[in-house]
Amino acid sequence: GAVVSQHPSRVICKSGTSVKIECRSLDFQATTMFWYRQFPKQSLMLMATSNEGSKATYEQGVEKDKFLINHASLTLSTLTVTSAHPEDSSFYICSALDWGSGVSGANVLTFGAGSRLTVL
Amino acid sequence: GIQVEQSPPDLILQEGANSTLRCNFSDSVNNLQWFHQNPWGQLINLFYIPSGTKQNGRLSATTVATERYSLLYISSSQTTDSGVYFCAVEGATDSWGKLQFGAGTQVVVTP
Repeated sequence: GAVVSQHPSRVICKSGTSVKIECRSLDFQATTMFWYRQFPKQSLMLMATSNEGSKATYEQGVEKDKFLINHASLTLSTLTVTSAHPEDSSFYICSALDWGSGVSGANVLTFGAGSRLTVL
Repeated sequence: GIQVEQSPPDLILQEGANSTLRCNFSDSVNNLQWFHQNPWGQLINLFYIPSGTKQNGRLSATTVATERYSLLYISSSQTTDSGVYFCAVEGATDSWGKLQFGAGTQVVVTP
């Protein structure tokens, strides 16, 4: 089945530094990927839609200059948390859209294992 | 946007028990998926089920799209079933793959 790899799985950084998180589709091409964040004991909130070769589409309330998304190839999207602060500490999860997979040709999303960011 | 409500928020089961989780949504959907999030945060896709009924081992799901709800059944629960179960939907007017998640049901299965 489709596999999405996320790296790093855990990262600790100092306040003010930038952190890059990678999301790779390993065995399929993903023209569209999605980035979510999840605070402890809460649901997943969509941050942005990442489209290969074009600018990301951000959800309302998400700072595009704070959370930089680059989708330079059909298998890789990156999320960079710039000038991170403790309130950015969260679990970040990506998903990739595998067109044509699943039952009856329906598209199915596959999620990465997540990246836990702790900002000191 | 589309609203997704899950119930119950918490569920404690004894091993071997059966249970039903519910997901209500406020508008028409193109896609509905059930996920299990394990204690390490990994989301596992259980079912892609915008309508109808599916079964996979001890799990089954039913979506009645016309009445805007979906049910996830866990039979003969095991401790490995513990975790959070999310229902997520893609609204009929949303772009493909853009999922709105419910708040989840925290399931604890005790030995």
